[in-house]
Parts: sequence; C-alpha cells; structure tokens
Amino acid sequence: DVKVTQSSRYLVKRTGEKVFLECVQDMDHENMFWYRQDPGLGLRLIYFSYDVKMKEKGDIPEGYSVSREKKERFSLILESASTNQTSMYLCASSPGERTEAFFGQGTRLTVV
Amino acid sequence: KNEVEQSPQNLTAQEGEFITINCSYSVGISALHWLQQHPGGGIVSLFMLSSGKKKHGRLIATINIQEKHSSLHITASHPRDSAVYICAVRASITDKLIFGTGTRLQVFP
Repeated sequence: DVKVTQSSRYLVKRTGEKVFLECVQDMDHENMFWYRQDPGLGLRLIYFSYDVKMKEKGDIPEGYSVSREKKERFSLILESASTNQTSMYLCASSPGERTEAFFGQGTRLTVV
Repeated sequence: KNEVEQSPQNLTAQEGEFITINCSYSVGISALHWLQQHPGGGIVSLFMLSSGKKKHGRLIATINIQEKHSSLHITASHPRDSAVYICAVRASITDKLIFGTGTRLQVFP
C-alpha cells in the first residue's frame, strides 16, 4: 500500500514562528501536493511539485513556501506563522497527472 | 457559487439504511473522485470515475456527464461508515482538482 506520512498530527506554534510541515511518500511518486482544509471550504491547493526541486504555486500560496530536495519528501514552510494559518494541512502524492491521489493523515496546526 | 456542490451537508442514518450522497459540478471535467475522511483527518480515495458506474463492496458511485452530476451510494450502512465524504472533480481546462465541502455522515447502531 502507498504510504504518505506527515510528521505531526497536531502542532501548536506561536505567531511569528517559522514552521516546517514534513511529508514523506514511499511509492516513488512524481507529484506531491500540499492542501489546507478549513470548515465550510473544500480543500485548497497551496503548492505542488512534479519533480525534485520543481514547485508550482497553487490557489493560495501567500504566506507559504515549499521545498523538495528529494523525490520522497515535500516540505511546507510557514515563514512567519499567523493566526489565519490555523488549519488542517494535508499532503498528497500521485504517480502522474490525472491519476488517483494518496493522502497523508493530516496535520492540525494551531497558531496562537 | 461553488463549482462543486454536495448535498446534503449533514446526514444521519440508522444502521442498515441505504444512503445517497449527491455531487453537482459546473465545469467540464476529465474525472470525478469520491474521497472518505475519517475523524482522525486522513483521506482515502474511494473511486475515480469518468463515466458510468463503479462498485466496491457496499459502495457504488455513478456519474452522469451530461447532467454534471454524480452520486455515491452506500448499501446496508454501518456505524464504521461514519465519515466525511468528499467529491472532487478534475477540471478539463486547468487540470486541477476542485473539491466540494464534504458531506458528514453519521450512522447510528
């Protein structure tokens, strides 16, 4: 089975802190994605990557950056966390375009 | 108006009932996905379909491309089916996934 693992289930950080959310997949997938999920809204794409060192902005990239130094690992970075970034963050990977995506278990981030 | 609308938003059922969750979309699509999210947060892909009908165990997904509508059916529902069910479409023009806001299902014994 494909496994997508996010480093933390729950995180509490202070406003202004630099926050790293890590995601690792074990199936050699090309594509990796970071989404956030908020009540009343569908999942929204923050950033995605289709290859090592490649990244593309999604629909809501402001306040975030990403890093993909190795194929299996895709990191989401909040340079200076703010309270409006309190959310559930979900990582996903897929083997190619227009294929099924596999999701991690989510990280619930609270910024205080 | 959201490009992907799900109904109902919330659904409660007794164990054994037949359940239907609906998804309507307003964009051209290449595929539609049904996803399941359990209370812990993780999301599991149930179906990806572009036409017709797919069945897996007690779950059935149908899509009508002309009417831009899909349904997810659960036969003989069970408390372990309690979850949020999310419809997502892959837009033809942008190739991006657009997600519905989900349907929260609770099945009581």
